[in-house]
Amino acid sequence: DTEVTQTPKHLVMGMTNKKSLKCEQHMGHRAMYWYKQKAKKPPELMFVYSYEKLSINESVPSRFSPECPNSSLLNLHLHALQPEDSALYLCASSQALGLAYEQYFGPGTRLTVT
Amino acid sequence: DAKTTQPTSMDCAEGRAANLPCNHSTISGNEYVYWYRQIHSQGPQYIIHGLKNNETNEMASLIITEDRKSSTLILPHATLRDTAVYYCIVASGSEKLVFGKGTKLTVNP
Repeated sequence: DTEVTQTPKHLVMGMTNKKSLKCEQHMGHRAMYWYKQKAKKPPELMFVYSYEKLSINESVPSRFSPECPNSSLLNLHLHALQPEDSALYLCASSQALGLAYEQYFGPGTRLTVT
Repeated sequence: DAKTTQPTSMDCAEGRAANLPCNHSTISGNEYVYWYRQIHSQGPQYIIHGLKNNETNEMASLIITEDRKSSTLILPHATLRDTAVYYCIVASGSEKLVFGKGTKLTVNP
């Protein structure tokens, strides 16, 4: 199984809402990532987790809060978002950090903030 | 910022080889060259990576010049399903991939 799943596929939320994005993998990977992709732009790294600990935070605003409750699951909690946060949010995983392991990406959650 | 330069777009005829170039003149000795692609509305897909030697897998071949300042991704027999944006990425490890603008490859029937 080389699949990374993300739920929901689509999400529409108001600026005062709280919502969460979920990402799951069962490949035994110990590194997981969140990327943000605006329309017609390349993906941009947001967060990296290694062995369930936050390893990299690319200066992401605090209205985005990641969580890695176990080695298979990665959440992104959203609160008080702005319309400019509307984007495709991609999750990825890799066997580990530090070596040339390929990243496996999920299909993404398309978020619209109204 | 991305450390690579790629053409904005390329066209290829179905069944022919697609050769996608990438310049990475500032690559360091410990940095790998990765290729990913993103088909419309899907997540990126890993294709291949290499350090110094040429590499081949079931999807593609990667040719890296001897000075490592450029590389070429080769899709030997392009199909319509290979239409995608192809990203060439230089990185020292898998944790921090910086995607550039990529090359939009269109495979024509």
